[in-house]
Amino acid sequence: SQTIHQWPATLVQPVGSPLSLECTVEGTSNPNLYWYRQAAGRGLQLLFYSVGIGQISSEVPQNLSASRPQDRQFILSSKKLLLSDSGFYLCAWGGRVSTEAFFGQGTRLTVV
Amino acid sequence: AQSVTQLDSQVPVFEEAPVELRCNYSSSVSVYLFWYVQYPNQGLQLLLKYLSGSTLVKGINGFEAEFNKSQTSFHLRKPSVHISDTAEYFCAVILDISSGSARQLTFGSGTQLTVLP
Repeated sequence: SQTIHQWPATLVQPVGSPLSLECTVEGTSNPNLYWYRQAAGRGLQLLFYSVGIGQISSEVPQNLSASRPQDRQFILSSKKLLLSDSGFYLCAWGGRVSTEAFFGQGTRLTVV
Repeated sequence: AQSVTQLDSQVPVFEEAPVELRCNYSSSVSVYLFWYVQYPNQGLQLLLKYLSGSTLVKGINGFEAEFNKSQTSFHLRKPSVHISDTAEYFCAVILDISSGSARQLTFGSGTQLTVLP
């Protein structure tokens, strides 16, 4: 069966520090991968998606970037965090022919 | 552009009472529709989905939703809620159902369901 791992679960970082959140998927090949952000009291905002290694599409211009160095690995990064980057970050994967997305457990990021 | 509207940000309801969480979408083409549930500090779990066929969709935990194309709605219902149903519920839509590329879910802003004893 397929599983998705996302870490760390919580993270407190100072303003101006770098960020790296990692997500890996097991049990499937060539998945579509997604990063969402959920700000307090708001819905989910799609940040990036990827249909293959090295292929990244950005939905919202911002202080973040994403990379996909391996088929089942998706990384969210920032060189310098802002206070507004605080939120709950969710990684998800979807199959080529399936319809729904399957979510990781999320990372609670607090920028102080 | 597609959008998803969840009209109620908070819905308090007493245990064993029925509940309806409302969702409307704006699209003139065929869509896929979903409801997800999120428990505190966790990821999202799929409750149910509508792709085609019967407009009444049954999901997990006793939830069901009805697709109404004329009203562009996909309201979520449960006839009798439990304390354990307290969570945030998200309606979501995929517009580009013919695309072979990444299918992007667009989410509503969420409805916090609080079941009171």
